[in-house]
Amino acid sequence: GAVVSQHPSRVICKSGTSVKIECRSLDFQATTMFWYRQFPKQSLMLMATSNEGSKATYEQGVEKDKFLINHASLTLSTLTVTSAHPEDSSFYICSARDLRWDNSPLHFGNGTRLTVT
Amino acid sequence: GNSVTQMEGPVTLSEEAFLTINCTYTATGYPSLFWYVQYPGEGLQLLLKATKADDKGSNKGFEATYRKETTSFHLEKGSVQVSDSAVYFCALSALYSGAGSYQLTFGKGTKLSVIP
Repeated sequence: GAVVSQHPSRVICKSGTSVKIECRSLDFQATTMFWYRQFPKQSLMLMATSNEGSKATYEQGVEKDKFLINHASLTLSTLTVTSAHPEDSSFYICSARDLRWDNSPLHFGNGTRLTVT
Repeated sequence: GNSVTQMEGPVTLSEEAFLTINCTYTATGYPSLFWYVQYPGEGLQLLLKATKADDKGSNKGFEATYRKETTSFHLEKGSVQVSDSAVYFCALSALYSGAGSYQLTFGKGTKLSVIP
């Protein structure tokens, strides 16, 4: 079945550095991918919608310059956390839908646990 | 805006016990409703869904019925197994007008632990 690969699964970085998270659809194409963030004991919160070939659409309260999203191809979207700070530590998950099927569910990556020290 | 409220966990049950995880929602229009499951160390997977009122979604012994009158989508299973231990997320999907695609709103998740 459709698989979404997210990499890395865990990353620890120092405050002030940038981290890039990749989301790939392995056997299907996705013009739209979604990026979510989950704080402990909180809901999954939609951060932004990544659109292939155009700018991402960010949810209210999400800093565009902080969370850079690039969707350069139909199978790859990247989220870069720039100048990371400890409060950015969280669990980030991407998802995508298989364009071949009208009623396809969203497929999720396994998530990336980011820890900023 | 849209929102999903599900019962707080964690929930601990003995094997073969009956499971109910409550979920209620607030949404404009007629959303689709979903239950997602996240097994330890894995990503989210779709467990079941219902796209209109009175639909019943079912999978792996789990069921949930789309109740428009009570705006609910409670998850049930008659006899849980240890392998059902996971975090369960209730979600609703509404058309995301900007991209012509659907946007999910999730509940906080309920952790289920089933003990032998």
